Amino acid sequence: KAGVTQTPRYLIKTRGQQVTLSCSPISGHRSVSWYQQTPGQGLQFLFEYFSETQRNKGNFPGRFSGRQFSNSRSEMNVSTLELGDSALYLCASSPGQVIYGYTFGSGTRLTVV
Amino acid sequence: GQQLNQSPQSMFIQEGEDVSMNCTSSSIFNTWLWYKQDPGEGPVLLIALYKAGELTSNGRLTAQFGITRKDSFLNISASIPSDVGIYFCAGHSGAGSYQLTFGKGTKLSVIP
Repeated sequence: KAGVTQTPRYLIKTRGQQVTLSCSPISGHRSVSWYQQTPGQGLQFLFEYFSETQRNKGNFPGRFSGRQFSNSRSEMNVSTLELGDSALYLCASSPGQVIYGYTFGSGTRLTVV
Repeated sequence: GQQLNQSPQSMFIQEGEDVSMNCTSSSIFNTWLWYKQDPGEGPVLLIALYKAGELTSNGRLTAQFGITRKDSFLNISASIPSDVGIYFCAGHSGAGSYQLTFGKGTKLSVIP
């Protein structure tokens, strides 16, 4: 079965712009989580959605937002980009319970210049 | 917030050697997970642990859930070149939490 698909794989944006990243979970998975990965901070939790509802949000500014659609696909948006937002953004899906682990996508590499 | 301390940060080993890495936490976790990440890819789940004291194997990999519930260990026996990558531990604190807390990773290099 198809894995978690993230698009695009690479993005270059300018400071002040906004960006939208997309994630298609494994078929049947209703939970989608987003993480930011940087060399200095490692994997940091952004938010988690289940059946279109945000159940958990990490400690990120309001410029970071997300949503989930009825088909479980999810998008995250970052507005007013800053240089420090450059990172690998990873999406992960699970059937619903985090304790059984996620399946991660390959990520979107965002570079802000 | 919760933090996981993972060590060592990096390791260089000879092919065929055994490897040990560990994670410690300032707070209790009810689930420990170990992931491996290859360059340009997302992390892949290797082993999941659900009970204090539990020892679980997956091929040459063995992981243990510490008795105190504040630590976990991963061992790799007879390393091979494809073991190269970054290994992450992750903890889940329990009901009502929908996120994992990740360690900063152990970068493993295997010298043929």
